[in-house]
Amino acid sequence: AQSVTQLGSHVSVSEGALVLLRCNYSSSVPPYLFWYVQYPNQGLQLLLKYTSAATLVKGINGFEAEFKKSETSFHLTKPSAHMSDAAEYFCAVRLSGNTPLVFGKGTRLSVIA
Amino acid sequence: NAGVTQTPKFRVLKTGQSMTLLCAQDMNHEYMYWYRQDPGMGLRLIHYSVGEGTTAKGEVPDGYNVSRLKKQNFLLGLESAAPSQTSVYFCASEGAGANVLTFGAGSRLTVL
Repeated sequence: AQSVTQLGSHVSVSEGALVLLRCNYSSSVPPYLFWYVQYPNQGLQLLLKYTSAATLVKGINGFEAEFKKSETSFHLTKPSAHMSDAAEYFCAVRLSGNTPLVFGKGTRLSVIA
Repeated sequence: NAGVTQTPKFRVLKTGQSMTLLCAQDMNHEYMYWYRQDPGMGLRLIHYSVGEGTTAKGEVPDGYNVSRLKKQNFLLGLESAAPSQTSVYFCASEGAGANVLTFGAGSRLTVL
């Protein structure tokens, strides 16, 4: 069965500091991997996705993630945090294009001025 | 505006009452999903559909039923609501092969 584990339910960083949100996946075959963001009182929106092309994936708002098969990881990073990055971030996995996404439990990012 | 619309946005029910949540999308997407979001639990899949007239169970289907009679609509029903079904429900749709889910704004349900 496929699953994702997000390390840390809450991460707090200072404005301008590096953002690192961790995600590890469990899958018997190379999966498709995603990061979604949820701003308060809104639905989720796609930040970026890995679908077996380049292992370093760039997304919106300056975020990027690297697929590391040897570590079964897909960590999300951003060099410099902005106040507007405060949100909840979800890592998700799917085995193939027609199977449902399985989401992690989420990591809430707080940005301190 | 194109997207996913959920109705109602808020609802309070008493234990044992029934209700239906409606999800409508105008993007001609094949796949539609219902998730529930609870604090510390992330999003859990209730039911999904890969096309008009088809439905399948997700991770937490008990107590819910769904129907996809029209391609653009995906209905989630609670036949006899329980307090454990207090949650925020999200509908999402996806075009075949797109690998991008478009989410609605959510429906907050409270069962007393």
